[in-house]
Amino acid sequence: GAGVSQSPSNKVTEKGKDVELRCDPISGHTALYWYRQSLGQGLEFLIYFQGNSAPDKSGLPSDRFSAERTGGSVSTLTIQRTQQEDSAVYLCASSLGLAGDVQYFGPGTRLLVL
Amino acid sequence: DQQVKQNSPSLSVQEGRISILNCDYTNSMFDYFLWYKKYPAEGPTFLISISSIKDKNEDGRFTVFLNKSAKHLSLHIVPSQPGDSAVYFCAACTSGTYKYIFGTGTRLKVLA
Repeated sequence: GAGVSQSPSNKVTEKGKDVELRCDPISGHTALYWYRQSLGQGLEFLIYFQGNSAPDKSGLPSDRFSAERTGGSVSTLTIQRTQQEDSAVYLCASSLGLAGDVQYFGPGTRLLVL
Repeated sequence: DQQVKQNSPSLSVQEGRISILNCDYTNSMFDYFLWYKKYPAEGPTFLISISSIKDKNEDGRFTVFLNKSAKHLSLHIVPSQPGDSAVYFCAACTSGTYKYIFGTGTRLKVLA
């Protein structure tokens, strides 16, 4: 079966523009995570979706960041009015949703804000 | 506050020798720990995990050790191979929370 896919793989945008990043999780996985990895940094948790529960948004760095998960499957991370410090690799992961379960990561979207 | 720390940003080891990657955590509520490996331009892939009820878990060349009193875990790779060259992340979570906290990673280079 297919793994986690993300699109686009690379995105270059101008400061102030909005961007949308897409994640297709593994079929049947109820949990979906977004992380950010800035240059030289570790994986920074952004947001977590589990089934129909309210998402855990505690990691979103500002109100310019938002995410949706439609139909319990595909997720979109939106960054409004992008800033240069938003430049990073954005990683999506999915899992079966059990505590301590292994997360399967996509290849990431490399965002560069000029 | 960095709850999961990997204090060595890089490590070089000769092929065939043991690689030891370390990870420290501060939150005593963490009860499940995982190691991921990441190659350039790819997402992290799961390597091995350990529950807090154990102090050791082994899978082939990979062994993870957990010292709860020291809040320390380590990943041993024996023997190291050039294909093991990658960035290794440790991650921790608390049962029922689903939120994983990742370390900053250690770049391992295995020299042929």
